[in-house]
Amino acid sequence: DIQMTQSPSSLSASVGDRVTITCRASQGISNYLAWYQQKPGKVPQLLIYAASTLQSGVPSRFSGSGSGTDFTLTISSLQPEDVATYYCQKYYSAPRTFGQGTKVEIK
Amino acid sequence: VQLVESGGVVVQPGGSLRVSCAASGFTFDDYTMHWVRQAPGKGLEWVSLISWDGAGTDYADSVKGRFTISRDNSKNSLYLQMDSLRTEDTALYHCAKSSAPTGWSPFDYWGQGTLVTVSS
Repeated sequence: DIQMTQSPSSLSASVGDRVTITCRASQGISNYLAWYQQKPGKVPQLLIYAASTLQSGVPSRFSGSGSGTDFTLTISSLQPEDVATYYCQKYYSAPRTFGQGTKVEIK
Repeated sequence: VQLVESGGVVVQPGGSLRVSCAASGFTFDDYTMHWVRQAPGKGLEWVSLISWDGAGTDYADSVKGRFTISRDNSKNSLYLQMDSLRTEDTALYHCAKSSAPTGWSPFDYWGQGTLVTVSS
């Protein structure tokens, strides 16, 4: 099975900072990569799919890139409402594995 | 779109349980559906999927042979039968909808989840 590895596992940044989270697949998955945001006590929300396509309603400060095995989620200017855990997921076939998550906090 | 799970309870190790998900607001029988679980304080773990017609299913290795996914399109309902439960199955179980009716797609709607606790 393909493994998904995120880094870092947590980060702390200031409001307005640019934040980058990486996700690496153990084998190529083309662009079948999604990013989810899970705020404390809430269900996950789809942010990005097809590695770089923003889900409707998601602020434009979020962006995604990558293909094959290496992917990136970027928040261009961190806002207080972005405090959450972010997960990548490969949806190329089963199992639809998630990364272990990256917890983003405000410094 | 609404997904509402039910059926979570406290069950002893080795026991069985069926959780359900009632779907509304979309054409249920067009979409592959999934179960995803989250143990307390832990990350997301994909558990199982079922195709729109129930003909195709798949499972995480951690539950294969113990869990069975099914659906009743006449009732807009998704189910997960869990047998031989272990303490490590303790989690909030979410149902989730595929975002597209065909091909591989991520999950665009999630239910709030139903809590399954396996404990003696």
